[in-house]
Amino acid sequence: EIVLTQSPGTLSLSPGERATLSCRAGQSVNNNYLAWYQQRPGQAPRLLIYGASNRATGIPDRFSGSGSGTDFTLTIGRLEPEDFAIYFCHQYGNSPASFGLGTKLEI
Amino acid sequence: QIQLQQSGPGLVQPSQTLSLICAVSGDSLSSTSATWNWIRQSPSRGLEWLGRTYYRSPWYTDYAVSVRGRITINPDTAKNQFSLHLTSVTPEDTAMYYCARADGWGDFDSWGQGTLVTVS
Repeated sequence: EIVLTQSPGTLSLSPGERATLSCRAGQSVNNNYLAWYQQRPGQAPRLLIYGASNRATGIPDRFSGSGSGTDFTLTIGRLEPEDFAIYFCHQYGNSPASFGLGTKLEI
Repeated sequence: QIQLQQSGPGLVQPSQTLSLICAVSGDSLSSTSATWNWIRQSPSRGLEWLGRTYYRSPWYTDYAVSVRGRITINPDTAKNQFSLHLTSVTPEDTAMYYCARADGWGDFDSWGQGTLVTVS
């Protein structure tokens, strides 16, 4: 199973600032099948990015994903109050699928 | 719009069977471009994929090694829903359980609302 390491564990920023979240895989993710999810308290995860850099339907363009191989990044351009949540990466290019432990984005 | 609605008990006794149902609307369980998954989340294990069922004529299932031998996922095409059965549960199986749809590539694009299952 591919281990995904997310950093930082917690990121403290203010609305309007730019956030950069990292996800590093223990081995190369096939086809860059790497997704990012947002989870707000009491809610299920929501798909933001798939295939490393493709925004899911309805996701604002301040969210962007980049990277390949073992190093991936989620960038949030200008933080809105509703963006403060936990973010998970997920690889589905290698079986079994696996998730990172998350980055908590706090005000 | 695809929606997944979960149902099932929130409390299960140790050594008993955990059973949950996920009802799907807005898509067909028999779609050949989707898979139907169960995922759980706990503070100790994070997000953990448990298994999936999908139709590619015939039906297939895949299970995580961690629960293989205890897990069964069944499709019910008449009701357009699928189920999770996890036998011989222990307190370590206490978690929030989610059903989720994955598209052809494997990212989880629709999720159920979650069911908190406590084994006690």
